[in-house]
Amino acid sequence: DTGVSQNPRHKITKRGQNVTFRCDPISEHNRLYWYRQTLGQGPEFLTYFQNEAQLEKSRLLSDRFSAERPKGSFSTLEIQRTEQGDSAMYLCASSPDRASGNTIYFGEGSWLTVV
Amino acid sequence: DQQVKQNSPSLSVQEGRISILNCDYTNSMFDYFLWYKKYPAEGPTFLISISSIKDKNEDGRFTVFLNKSAKHLSLHIVPSQPGDSAVYFCAASAKSGTYKYIFGTGTRLKVLA
Repeated sequence: DTGVSQNPRHKITKRGQNVTFRCDPISEHNRLYWYRQTLGQGPEFLTYFQNEAQLEKSRLLSDRFSAERPKGSFSTLEIQRTEQGDSAMYLCASSPDRASGNTIYFGEGSWLTVV
Repeated sequence: DQQVKQNSPSLSVQEGRISILNCDYTNSMFDYFLWYKKYPAEGPTFLISISSIKDKNEDGRFTVFLNKSAKHLSLHIVPSQPGDSAVYFCAASAKSGTYKYIFGTGTRLKVLA
């Protein structure tokens, strides 16, 4: 399977714990995105990487959230001191590196439930 | 401020008929638009895209129309099939500045057999 891969698919954690999600993009894609989706909403942009450089972070990404893409391949999204409001589906997507007209392809998502 | 709006939260259509899903946007800098389909507990699946230099793009049963003056796009599915039942999202991006995509809130389509 050469699509975007995310793991774990499901994570239940207690409030206050840290969680980390991993994303492996489509191999030839230089751009990688993290989105969050809650019930009844569309995906909300969190952050974006061009290779290993994190070029934009949303205001949604509080100090408890950090994302890395150390070698320009896979990426991790860490949430520290989780809160119940962090419960959502975390989506990773990737796209090729063209000036415009890039289609982004999503992974299956990682469900987070904070209890 | 919701830059991409899908004002119909749900739509029911008889199998074999046309489904029309609508999307409005406010940012005139948007120049590339995509439609995604999403089943529960799965990530969005890309369906079809359109660039602002076109007003129509067709792929099999799916056609997207873009009306730049009205800042409106629509997705037509014909004929509709029960397997098309899902939530549909439109998304938009602007070439200048960042490359992030802004999504609407989705329309749940139910195709009745």
